[in-house]
Amino acid sequence: NAGVMQNPRHLVRRRGQEARLRCSPMKGHSHVYWYRQLPEEGLKFMVYLQKENIIDESGMPKERFSAEFPKEGPSILRIQQVVRGDSAAYFCASSPPEGGSNEQFFGPGTRLTVL
Amino acid sequence: AQSVAQPEDQVNVAEGNPLTVKCTYSVSGNPYLFWYVQYPNRGLQFLLKYITGDNLVKGSYGFEAEFNKSQTSFHLKKPSALVSDSALYFCAVRRLWGATNKLIFGTGTLLAVQP
Repeated sequence: NAGVMQNPRHLVRRRGQEARLRCSPMKGHSHVYWYRQLPEEGLKFMVYLQKENIIDESGMPKERFSAEFPKEGPSILRIQQVVRGDSAAYFCASSPPEGGSNEQFFGPGTRLTVL
Repeated sequence: AQSVAQPEDQVNVAEGNPLTVKCTYSVSGNPYLFWYVQYPNRGLQFLLKYITGDNLVKGSYGFEAEFNKSQTSFHLKKPSALVSDSALYFCAVRRLWGATNKLIFGTGTLLAVQP
């Protein structure tokens, strides 16, 4: 059973460009979470999705950021018009649908660098 | 509001000695508590969790953690440290009830085990 897959592992963008980060959850997992880790900081929750639904987006910046988890295919975190402050490691996690007591399994992360 | 505090940025311990990494939490109601470990340029790996039951929880790689409700703490422990335990350790909490499964992370503690 493959783990959580994220691609790309490293992404370089210039200011004003768009960044698309992809996450494929573990097989059988229908819950996906995105977290951001800024340099020298812990992980901050961004958004929690189930298939085709956003459950909690309380950690998402109000502008330029969006996330989706379509019926088919990976979850996508999209950052429009990137700025230098968006440079961070973005981690995706997944968990099975049985309940919140389950631990979340993390992917290797996408390290975004904005020039 | 939920929060997690890891009061030590770094813990130094000699190989073979016991180690403790501290974590205190604040959450309304009963918590789910987790410990994760992060190696350089990697995602987070699950170590252990407290849901209910025995206050002493055993996890991966010989680690254990003790839940103390009166002190709102969940310290990570290991009887005998290894050099390979050197990594960044994160404590996390989520509320027992509620629609969101989001994890709130501490800022992390860097464990350095000297040979």
